[in-house]
Amino acid sequence: DTAVSQTPKYLVTQMGNDKSIKCEQNLGHDTMYWYKQDSKKFLKIMFSYNNKELIINETVPNRFSPKSPDKAHLNLHINSLELGDSAVYFCASSHPAGGGSKDTQYFGPGTRLTVL
Amino acid sequence: DAKTTQPPSMDCAEGRAANLPCNHSTISGNEYVYWYRQIHSQGPQYIIHGLKNNETNEMASLIITEDRKSSTLILPHATLRDTAVYYCIVRPGTSGTYKYIFGTGTRLKVLA
Repeated sequence: DTAVSQTPKYLVTQMGNDKSIKCEQNLGHDTMYWYKQDSKKFLKIMFSYNNKELIINETVPNRFSPKSPDKAHLNLHINSLELGDSAVYFCASSHPAGGGSKDTQYFGPGTRLTVL
Repeated sequence: DAKTTQPPSMDCAEGRAANLPCNHSTISGNEYVYWYRQIHSQGPQYIIHGLKNNETNEMASLIITEDRKSSTLILPHATLRDTAVYYCIVRPGTSGTYKYIFGTGTRLKVLA
């Protein structure tokens, strides 16, 4: 199926650990995003990569480091995890080069991160 | 901050039309209106978008006022599976990478 996929779906870990979340899209898009949805359900963008280049970088602790090995993948590595990092993380992709109304973002199923 | 305001919650009887309003009074001429929904804790799902004209697809209809300061998403025959949080978003229409700014959305509950 064509889609945006994320692994793992659930991630439970201890404070201070380092973890990664992987995202892959097979939609042929050239831009990918990471969003964070906290316990209050606010959904906020964290990063965006276009053709492996960082385009959007919101005010996110530098413990979070996105890595894009190619256009189809955008992984999120988190160092020294803290309790406040517990949230659902969503990956998305789009094709903004299409311009106009073609820049529709498609979201993955989410990764629920719980830091104990 | 989100450029849109939506009622926090709405109820709709199953089989009836659900009309979800959105105010975007500061929308610019080249900004599109997008609608997404989030069912439980799944990823946001694209529904429909528009610029000036009303739009319809297999999921919903989008009615945009002539002054473009507000819009209404219409689910013509709501089912229990349409229970979700619905987000109205505005974003520029020019080519490039733009972040979606999600507001608090409208929690629609479809009642049996």
